[in-house]
Amino acid sequence: QQQVKQSPQSLIVQKGGISIINCAYENTAFDYFPWYQQFPGKGPALLIAIRPDVSEKKEGRFTISFNKSAKQFSLHIMDSQPGDSATYFCAVPSYSGGYQKVTFGTGTKLQVIP
Amino acid sequence: SAVISQKPSRDICQRGTSLTIQCQVDSQVTMMFWYRQQPGQSLTLIATANQGSEATYESGFVIDKFPISRPNLTFSTLTVSNMSPEDSSIYLCSVVPGVRTEAFFGQGTRLTVV
Repeated sequence: QQQVKQSPQSLIVQKGGISIINCAYENTAFDYFPWYQQFPGKGPALLIAIRPDVSEKKEGRFTISFNKSAKQFSLHIMDSQPGDSATYFCAVPSYSGGYQKVTFGTGTKLQVIP
Repeated sequence: SAVISQKPSRDICQRGTSLTIQCQVDSQVTMMFWYRQQPGQSLTLIATANQGSEATYESGFVIDKFPISRPNLTFSTLTVSNMSPEDSSIYLCSVVPGVRTEAFFGQGTRLTVV
C-alpha cells in the first residue's frame, strides 16, 4: 500500500505571499505527480502535474518542484490570492492488476487572507 | 481530459434506505473508480469498476454495502445500501482516460444520512 505524507495540514498566507505545500512518497517510480485543488462542494480538479524526468514545472503562479532522490515533491503558489483558498491534495499513482490506482495525501487547507 | 457527470449532486436520505449514484463520462474508458471523502478528510478508494466484470473492492469496503454496476464503457453506478449516518460523505467518480495519465473527477455526490 503506497503511503503519501502531506504537510502542512493547514496553511494561512497573506495575499501576495508564497504558499508551499509538501508531499513525500514511498517506493517505486511513477509516471507523474499531480496536485489537485478542491473547493468546498466540488470534486477535486487537476491543478498541475509533473513527470519524473524534470525537476520543476511552472504554470502561471503554480510551480511543482520534484526531488526524485528524496522522494518528495512540493507545490508553490506565488502571489497567493484569496481565490486560491481551497484544499490541496498531492497524489501518486500506482499500478495493480494492470491498471492505475491513485493514492491521495491527507490534504492541506489553504486560506489566503486579504 | 474527460468530462464526468454525476447524479445526484446531493441528497438527504433516511437511515436504512439505499441511494444509487450515477456517473457518466464523455468518452469510453476502461476503468472507472469510486471514492469516498468523509467530512474534512482525504479521498479513499472504494472500488474499481471494469466493464464486463465484477468490481474490485478495496480493504474495508464490501459489495453488499456498495454494489457497483458497469454496463458499458461510459457509465457506472454506485449504490450505498442500508445507509447509516456514518455513510454521510461525498462520493466521487473518477476516470483515468489515457494510458498512464492523470485522474479526473466528477463533482461528487454529497450524501447526508439522517
